[in-house]
Amino acid sequence: EADIYQTPRYLVIGTGKKITLECSQTMGHDKMYWYQQDPGMELHLIHYSYGVNSTEKGDLSSESTVSRIRTEHFPLTLESARPSHTSQYLCASSGGQGTYNEQFFGPGTRLTVL
Amino acid sequence: KNQVEQSPQSLIILEGKNCTLQCNYTVSPFSNLRWYKQDTGRGPVSLTIMTFSENTKSNGRYTATLDADTKQSSLHITASQLSDSASYICVVSDRGSTLGRLYFGRGTQLTVWP
Repeated sequence: EADIYQTPRYLVIGTGKKITLECSQTMGHDKMYWYQQDPGMELHLIHYSYGVNSTEKGDLSSESTVSRIRTEHFPLTLESARPSHTSQYLCASSGGQGTYNEQFFGPGTRLTVL
Repeated sequence: KNQVEQSPQSLIILEGKNCTLQCNYTVSPFSNLRWYKQDTGRGPVSLTIMTFSENTKSNGRYTATLDADTKQSSLHITASQLSDSASYICVVSDRGSTLGRLYFGRGTQLTVWP
């Protein structure tokens, strides 16, 4: 079991609310990622970070924002949630150099916006 | 365009039976291919990783094969158990990316019946 945690696991909120999805890892990994996954569909990268103070947008356009102030923490924020944001959000991290490094995934947050 | 295609989309088998899942990819330049298992409501967990020079890799009852020439991989599950019910995702990484960019298939949803 990977040491990467996400909270909350489930969230149901109304349209227009501001939310923050938390992600923390205790493995000391430099790289962290946020993915969005809809049922039966592939994971899409929405944000990633090479390390502290580094954040980049991924392949899938997202209205969310991220921050990386500490190595172990990579929160994702939606300023004004909409029903189109309903999805599963997965956080991951990887360490070391090169492309062989395994990405370890958290359990995910299932977000429902009413 | 880098893509990963998996088949079948879903599969139902009886406990104790064997099954084989397929993955075709167009990711280039190729670095490695992983098979992940994703239980419902959880994050993906890596089962096997295969690099360009590897043809077969086993992890318990899971055996992955790779044909880098035809860009195909398979995951064979032997003597299936109820706990094997999950989505199995083929993930390909491209070479030369410092990020370790991953390309995900949509997964094969496996259901094992008693």
